[in-house]
Amino acid sequence: QQQVKQSPQSLIVQKGGISIINCAYENTAFDYFPWYQQFPGKGPALLIAIRPDVSEKKEGRFTISFNKSAKQFSLHIMDSQPGDSATYFCAAQKGAGTYKYIFGTGTRLKVLA
Amino acid sequence: DTAVSQTPKYLVTQMGNDKSIKCEQNLGHDTMYWYKQDSKKFLKIMFSYNNKELIINETVPNRFSPKSPDKAHLNLHINSLELGDSAVYFCASSLRGGALTDTQYFGPGTRLTVL
Repeated sequence: QQQVKQSPQSLIVQKGGISIINCAYENTAFDYFPWYQQFPGKGPALLIAIRPDVSEKKEGRFTISFNKSAKQFSLHIMDSQPGDSATYFCAAQKGAGTYKYIFGTGTRLKVLA
Repeated sequence: DTAVSQTPKYLVTQMGNDKSIKCEQNLGHDTMYWYKQDSKKFLKIMFSYNNKELIINETVPNRFSPKSPDKAHLNLHINSLELGDSAVYFCASSLRGGALTDTQYFGPGTRLTVL
């Protein structure tokens, strides 16, 4: 119930292609879904986030699609660039006052030049 | 200006030793966290402090003892280090941890290697 399942574990995309990372959750009490990006040797940093009352959120080349009924959400990276090569984590938070994220297992993205 | 800083960046030590990792944030945030990232990159929360008070302790062995002398600092002391403690430890902070959409800002990490 507390897990967030993330796939794929790794992803290789050509420059200019679309990268898609999927996450699924069980606990319907989750109420906030951020995505974090981590470069080698660095800490994770917030990329984009969504609440379940919207089905899509777009920021530049990054889009979250959210399917509340299926309890799934995904990150789409349009026009993927070599600089996007990083590990991506989805996460979920169970409402205000819970003070913690449950992170997915991460996806290592490599964008080939 | 580094928002969340950790020292040291690397820590290599022998089994059985005691070590500490320090964390400081200059963002004026109320809430600070410690996360452990294992060799498979899995990121798991260990502790959360809000205004110097422990909020979350995720069944971490009591060899790990966090201490928050003030809102800007959260240190992690580890006693009797074991091989399985080898990981990257991240400190993070957020404005008001209890608020739903507050961003967590992560430090650069401390890579702990236990030999």
